[in-house]
Amino acid sequence: EVQLVESGGGLVMPGGSLRLSCAVSGFAFSNAWMSWVRQVPGKGLEWVGRITSNPHGGTTDYAAPVKGRFIISRVDSINTLYLQMSSLKIEDTGVYYCTTYFDAGGWVWGQGTLVTVSS
Amino acid sequence: EIVLTQSPGTLSLSPGEGATLSCWASQSVSSSFLAWYQQKPGQAPRLLIYDASSRATGIPDRFSGSGSGTDFTLTISRLEPEDFAVYYCQQYGGSPYTFGQGTKLE
Repeated sequence: EVQLVESGGGLVMPGGSLRLSCAVSGFAFSNAWMSWVRQVPGKGLEWVGRITSNPHGGTTDYAAPVKGRFIISRVDSINTLYLQMSSLKIEDTGVYYCTTYFDAGGWVWGQGTLVTVSS
Repeated sequence: EIVLTQSPGTLSLSPGEGATLSCWASQSVSSSFLAWYQQKPGQAPRLLIYDASSRATGIPDRFSGSGSGTDFTLTISRLEPEDFAVYYCQQYGGSPYTFGQGTKLE
């Protein structure tokens, strides 16, 4: 069974940092292109960024609002995806999901982890 | 960046009726890489349709997706009480991947 489990969310002050993790199982993580998506409570979905598989260079892309502040990385040996967030702003508050796409089956999402940026 | 616009913003219908939700893209979506999600309060999005018209595992056949290029449609043939939720489209044909603003089905 494919599973994605996010962790690391919590309360952080504006300007602070936080690292989210996404532990995956049930598929070949090393070949997967992984994304992070967030959702402000009561608002819509926003794509945060993506990392390709290491055979495809492990390259990253980011949405404009987080570029230069967030870094996506992966450690294939432990099937884990990361989102390092720094210089956090109040508007970064939301539920953060990791997600991946399968050619036969489409997108699979984790259950999300809540990040609250507040003083 | 491809901007997705969903219409209508809110759709008011009754169980048993049919629903048509639209998603327009500001430029052509490569390879029809478009998905539809259903979301209920407090829950993660649930994938309904991927690649514009492929139904995800376990999704009832009353849900169908169609379209290509810049115009896409989600059709729900006979609304069940559990179908009343917010629906989002997402394109993944090119980075940055983007979402529509959502249609609330009430």
